[in-house]
Amino acid sequence: DTEVTQTPKHLVMGMTNKKSLKCEQHMGHRAMYWYKQKAKKPPELMFVYSYEKLSINESVPSRFSPECPNSSLLNLHLHALQPEDSALYLCASSLSATSHEQFFGPGTRLTVL
Amino acid sequence: GQQVMQIPQYQHVQEGEDFTTYCNSSTTLSNIQWYKQRPGGHPVFLIQLVKSGEVKKQKRLTFQFGEAKKNSSLHITATQTTDVGTYFCAGPAGGATNKLIFGTGTLLAVQP
Repeated sequence: DTEVTQTPKHLVMGMTNKKSLKCEQHMGHRAMYWYKQKAKKPPELMFVYSYEKLSINESVPSRFSPECPNSSLLNLHLHALQPEDSALYLCASSLSATSHEQFFGPGTRLTVL
Repeated sequence: GQQVMQIPQYQHVQEGEDFTTYCNSSTTLSNIQWYKQRPGGHPVFLIQLVKSGEVKKQKRLTFQFGEAKKNSSLHITATQTTDVGTYFCAGPAGGATNKLIFGTGTLLAVQP
């Protein structure tokens, strides 16, 4: 299995809702990432997990809360988001956290009303 | 902070024409990666270059890493409609090899 899966594909939520994005990989990768991508812009790194521990938090607002329950799963919990948080949220994984190619999932298209 | 710029921002070519995108980093990179993102899709890894002056080829695609390891290029020979998409270069941020900084991207449109 050489793919990263993400659910849901699309999500519409209000500013008072709580929702979660899920990401899964079964490639034995030990590094997992969350990126945010706005239209016509490059992906922006949000979080990096290495061996299930949070190693990088790019000063992301606390309304985004990552979680890595095990080496195959990565969640992003969302609470009290703002309309400007609407974007494509991409999960990626790599063999390790040191300069390896990253495999991206198809993303979750999030709309905050 | 570290910046990775790409030019052009957008390129429209006739099928069969060549295409080149250039990537420039404000700092020296230990390596450079290239990704392709089709419209409505997600980034897909193409290649990684590590050595100064390195040149790699993948069929019609030629990738080059500059001698100073601050710039890179991707050249596509005889474009096809399947080449449509945004091409991003990406390099590690400073000493943090697990943090990729993506370039601004070049959107390639190919007219049949």
